[in-house]
Order: sequence, then C-alpha cells, then structure tokens
Amino acid sequence: KQEVTQIPAALSVPEGENLVLNCSFTDSAIYNLQWFRQDPGKGLTSLLLIQSSQREQTSGRLNASLDKSSGRSTLYIAASQPGDSATYLCAPRMDSSYKLIFGSGTRLLVRP
Amino acid sequence: GAVVSQHPSWVICKSGTSVKIECRSLDFQATTMFWYRQFPKQSLMLMATSNEGSKATYEQGVEKDKFLINHASLTLSTLTVTSAHPEDSSFYICSALRRGSNYGYTFGSGTRLTVV
Repeated sequence: KQEVTQIPAALSVPEGENLVLNCSFTDSAIYNLQWFRQDPGKGLTSLLLIQSSQREQTSGRLNASLDKSSGRSTLYIAASQPGDSATYLCAPRMDSSYKLIFGSGTRLLVRP
Repeated sequence: GAVVSQHPSWVICKSGTSVKIECRSLDFQATTMFWYRQFPKQSLMLMATSNEGSKATYEQGVEKDKFLINHASLTLSTLTVTSAHPEDSSFYICSALRRGSNYGYTFGSGTRLTVV
C-alpha cells in the first residue's frame, strides 16, 4: 500500500526566502507525480506534473524534482511571496491505477 | 485550461435529509471522476471512482448506499449524501481525469457540507 509523507508539516518563512518542500513515497511503481496547491476552503490547483521518466519540471518560480527509485520528490519555491501561502500537496499516481494518493501536505505561511 | 465546476460551494442541511453535489467538466470530457472528502487540516481521502456509464467503485470503508454516485454523462458526475448525519459534515471535492499527453487531474472547488 502506497504511503506518502510530506515534510515539514508546516513552515513559516519571511518573504523572499527560497524553500524546499519534501515528499516521500513507499512504492516506487508510480506512473507520475503531481504537486498541488490548496488555499483554505478551496479545491486544488495543479502546479506541476512529473512523469515517471522525468527528473524535473519547472514553472516560473517553481521547480519539482523526482527521484523515483528512492521514492522522493521535492518542490522548490524560489523567492517566496505572501501569495504563496497555502497548503502544498504531493500525489503520486500508481502504475496500476488512475488513483492519486495524497500526502498530508505542508502548510506554508510566507510573512511579509 | 480545463475547468471542473462544482456546486454548491457550501450547503447546510438537517439530519436525515439528502444532499446532491454536482461536478461538471466544462471544456473537456471526463470519462473518470474521483470523489474525495477532507476533514479540517487533513489530506484528501478518496471515497470512490466513477466511470461514465458504469457503477462507481468505492474505497474500503465507504458506504455505497450512503454516498450515491452517478456519472451519467461525460461531463457530469453527482454525489448524493443520503440520510445525512452530523458526522457526514466535511469538505467534499471532485476531480476529473483529463485524458491526454499528461493525464493530469483537474479538481473542483469543493463543497462544504454542514449537517445540523
């Protein structure tokens, strides 16, 4: 059974800092992995999707890496802004299923 | 981009009544939809997977007679919480699988259900 862990659970930083959010998963037989952002009381917004054959994806100030064999993914946020404050969720999709397995998320607060 | 419209965004109902939540894919065909529930400060828990034109597949521990899912068309899936009780109060989110080069998922904006 796939288990997804995200560290840290919560993070509070001053504006401008570069951040690294970690995601680890126990079963490396994944098809792809997606990072999402969730604002309080809202749905999820997809940030980046990495296929299992890829090592990283970039979108603006966001960079996500994937090390499938070691069961790890990181989300790097450059020059953080208060608008980045949200909960960040990683979700691998298994090879054998269309299901996403969600981590518990990292709650990020970027202070002005 | 792909959009999934979820309604209502919030609902308050009395115990014993039923509530229907709708999710529509506005600009793409969603052959597969997923329904999640989320408790405060917790992650998303998958409840069921629905495929257009067939019965939904429920996760272990989810009562299929209580959470009725219908996926009658390629753009609409509904979740009906029957005989709702206060413990059903939660945040419900749907997600549609977009078939294409990236097989990405698009999420609805969620429905806050409060049963009083």
